Amino acid sequence: SAVISQKPSRDICQRGTSLTIQCQVDSQVTMMFWYRQQPGQSLTLIATANQGSEATYESGFVIDKFPISRPNLTFSTLTVSNMSPEDSSIYLCSASARTGRYATNEKLFFGSGTQLSVL
Amino acid sequence: AQSVTQPDIHITVSEGASLELRCNYSYGATPYLFWYVQSPGQGLQLLLKYFSGDTLVQGIKGFEAEFKRSQSSFNLRKPSVHWSDAAEYFCAVGGKGGSQGNLIFGKGTKLSVKP
Repeated sequence: SAVISQKPSRDICQRGTSLTIQCQVDSQVTMMFWYRQQPGQSLTLIATANQGSEATYESGFVIDKFPISRPNLTFSTLTVSNMSPEDSSIYLCSASARTGRYATNEKLFFGSGTQLSVL
Repeated sequence: AQSVTQPDIHITVSEGASLELRCNYSYGATPYLFWYVQSPGQGLQLLLKYFSGDTLVQGIKGFEAEFKRSQSSFNLRKPSVHWSDAAEYFCAVGGKGGSQGNLIFGKGTKLSVKP
C-alpha cells in the first residue's frame, strides 16, 4: 500500500493570501486527485493532477483559483489562491495505484488532509 | 445528476448493538460503490467496495454492505458495534473515466457509540 504525506496538516491564513499544500506519496502511483471538504458538506473532487500537463478540473473549479502541479509520479501541490473565508475547508490529496488494466485492479489512498482556516 | 445521499447525519448506538448506515445513489452507469471511514485526525480508510458480482460485500473490521440495484442503495451493516467504530462514515460512488479516484461522496454519517 501507499502512504501519503500531506503538508501542512493545518494552517490559519489571512484573506487575500495564497497557500500551497504539498502531497508526497511513498511509491509511484497512477493518478493523483485533490478533494475539498467544506464544513458540513461531503468531499468534492476539485481536480485530477496529471503528470507533466495541466490538471483536469471538475465543474466549479478553475485553474486560476486552484493551480495544481504534478512534476513527477509521487508528488503534487495544490495552491489555494487569493483566499477568502469561504475557502475554509479540509483539503485532501488522494492517489491511486493500478496493478492491471481495469479500474477494478486499482487501489485508492488518501492523505490525512489539510485543515485550512481563512480569517 | 450523479449524487449520493446519506440520510442520517448522526447515529448513536450502544456497544454490542447492530448497526446499519444507509446510502442511496443516483448514477447513470453501473456504479462502483464504496464505504470509507474517517477517524479524527486520520485519513480516509476504505472499508469495502463493490464493482460487480455478489451483491453482499464483506469488508474490514467486520463490516458488510449489500448492493440493491432496484433500490439504488448500498447500506453498510455491522452485527455488533465496538467502541472503536466511533467515526464518520462516507458512502461514495465512482468509476467515471475508468478510475476509482473520481468519486462522488455523500455528506457522511457520524457514528457515536454508547458504552
